[in-house]
Amino acid sequence: GEDVEQSLFLSVREGDSSVINCTYTDSSSTYLYWYKQEPGAGLQLLTYIFSNMDMKQDQRLTVLLNKKDKHLSLRIADTQTGDSAIYFCAEVPSNTGFQKLVFGTGTRLLVSP
Amino acid sequence: ETGVTQSPTHLIKTRGQQVTLRCSSQSGHNTVSWYQQALGQGPQFIFQYYREEENGRGNFPPRFSGLQFPNYSSELNVNALELDDSALYLCASSLAGVHGYTFGSGTRLTVV
Repeated sequence: GEDVEQSLFLSVREGDSSVINCTYTDSSSTYLYWYKQEPGAGLQLLTYIFSNMDMKQDQRLTVLLNKKDKHLSLRIADTQTGDSAIYFCAEVPSNTGFQKLVFGTGTRLLVSP
Repeated sequence: ETGVTQSPTHLIKTRGQQVTLRCSSQSGHNTVSWYQQALGQGPQFIFQYYREEENGRGNFPPRFSGLQFPNYSSELNVNALELDDSALYLCASSLAGVHGYTFGSGTRLTVV
């Protein structure tokens, strides 16, 4: 089935690194995404990784992909209070014949000063 | 380049009523998808429209229906509203065959 799993909550101090983990279901997913959602807002694409990559770095963000374990992580370096939000990982299942996103339940990141 | 625009931003309806939500896709995009996000949950795929036809559907009943217009904008219609339909409804546009989605800010629907 389609069940992308994430831990519900993460609390860090400003300046620390944050690591948000995700386990996805479809080993053939081509793209995997990380989205950020602030209170009352829509989804903002943070970054994505193509399935033939193990790692992608984009400024303070580092994405690691372990295809064997179907595990995806997002590391935020030097976390700031403005990073407080809900983070969703999402996959595009390969068997749908069209591009739909399957989201996890989201990880709420709280950054304290 | 304009992003995805959704209207209205908030809406309150009574159980049993019907509602129409609207979405203008990003310039250059020809595909629109709709998602329902219940409180505390991740977004769930409702359906996708391409070339004015439904191009895939999630696990939602037929009272959820949609339209896409020649200018690629879209509507989501929900009939016989139920309390559980209360959610944030997100529209996302994309270009067929190209990865990547742009999401709107959503419409918050409350059914009382």
